[in-house]
Amino acid sequence: EAQVTQNPRYLITVTGKKLTVTCSQNMNHEYMSWYRQDPGLGLRQIYYSMNVEVTDKGDVPEGYKVSRKEKRNFPLILESPSPNQTSLYFCASSLNGFLEQYFGPGTRLTVT
Amino acid sequence: GQQVMQIPQYQHVQEGEDFTTYCNSSTTLSNIQWYKQRPGGHPVFLIQLVKSGEVKKQKRLTFQFGEAKKNSSLHITATQTTDVGTYFCAAPLGGADGLTFGKGTHLIIQP
Repeated sequence: EAQVTQNPRYLITVTGKKLTVTCSQNMNHEYMSWYRQDPGLGLRQIYYSMNVEVTDKGDVPEGYKVSRKEKRNFPLILESPSPNQTSLYFCASSLNGFLEQYFGPGTRLTVT
Repeated sequence: GQQVMQIPQYQHVQEGEDFTTYCNSSTTLSNIQWYKQRPGGHPVFLIQLVKSGEVKKQKRLTFQFGEAKKNSSLHITATQTTDVGTYFCAAPLGGADGLTFGKGTHLIIQP
């Protein structure tokens, strides 16, 4: 089954404790992206990747890192999480970024 | 940066009433996509429109792309409780960053 998976689905952590949210897709998609969703603000892009080893900043990259060592995986790293990073995070993939995007189930992160 | 403006932000309707959400851009779009996010779920692709003036239907949903390819609408006829959720439009705005999403319209249905 074609899908995007994210782990964990829920995470409660404390300020400053490094964390990684994993994202994996099995559709051989070139493009992958991370979004955060906050009430009233819609989906805001954090980072995106057009291909392996190619990543770039989206609209709200501060406080986040990503890597794309393999085509299927695109982890989101928070080196020192802060409470303003409490949000719902979605990973998405697409053939080329301009076509239909497939979203993962989401990761709800709470930073206290 | 460039944006895709979507209105209204919220829409309350009685079950059985119609619903429309609108998406507008200041620039000509190569395509526009619509997504639905159920409460507690993730956005799911509904449709893509590419041609000027294009109209597509999916059962009770009608999607339109404006003649100038700067606006689009999603119309739901005779809403049902299963239509509850947030509807997003999204379009590539010319950069390498993929799609830009509108802020979404939350559809709330009162039985």
